[in-house]
Amino acid sequence: KAGVTQTPRYLIKTRGQQVTLSCSPISGHRSVSWYQQTPGQGLQFLFEYFSETQRNKGNFPGRFSGRQFSNSRSEMNVSTLELGDSALYLCASSRTADHTGELFFGEGSRLTVL
Amino acid sequence: AQSVTQLGSHVSVSEGALVLLRCNYSSSVPPYLFWYVQYPNQGLQLLLKYTSAATLVKGINGFEAEFKKSETSFHLTKPSAHMSDAAEYFCAVSDILTGGGNKLTFGTGTQLKVEL
Repeated sequence: KAGVTQTPRYLIKTRGQQVTLSCSPISGHRSVSWYQQTPGQGLQFLFEYFSETQRNKGNFPGRFSGRQFSNSRSEMNVSTLELGDSALYLCASSRTADHTGELFFGEGSRLTVL
Repeated sequence: AQSVTQLGSHVSVSEGALVLLRCNYSSSVPPYLFWYVQYPNQGLQLLLKYTSAATLVKGINGFEAEFKKSETSFHLTKPSAHMSDAAEYFCAVSDILTGGGNKLTFGTGTQLKVEL
């Protein structure tokens, strides 16, 4: 059974650019969540999608957005990149949409903003 | 809102020694608690989870954790450390959100070092 796949794994951007990250969940999983991981702030919740609807959103500026497609694949976009956006972006999928389910994480997309 | 606190950002043990990683939670309702492990340049992998079925939870790779309501703790243990256990460990609590959904609040992580 294939795991959560994130692309690209590594990317370098400059300030002011935008970036789109992709996540393919485990087959049959309809919930996709995104987390940002940095040395200073740790793991922070960005948003969660279930059946193409954003259910929950973390405390991030509007430059961070996402969407989910009918096949449950998800993308997140960051516009007008800032140096502080450099981070590992982790995607996680879950079969359920309640709080009792476990999350399966991808290996992440490491974004460096210069 | 629920939260977790991990005591000790770095823990070092000898191979074969007991591993004890501490986690305390804060929750106004019975929590769902998790331990995840992250190896270098990888995502997070679930070690074990507590969902109120049993207070002693056994996970993968010989790890276990005990839920203690009186102490609001969910410490992770392993009787005998192995070199391959060197990684960063995260305690997490699942937020119970109006309208449902998955959202984990993570602790700051504990880096485990295993020495010969």
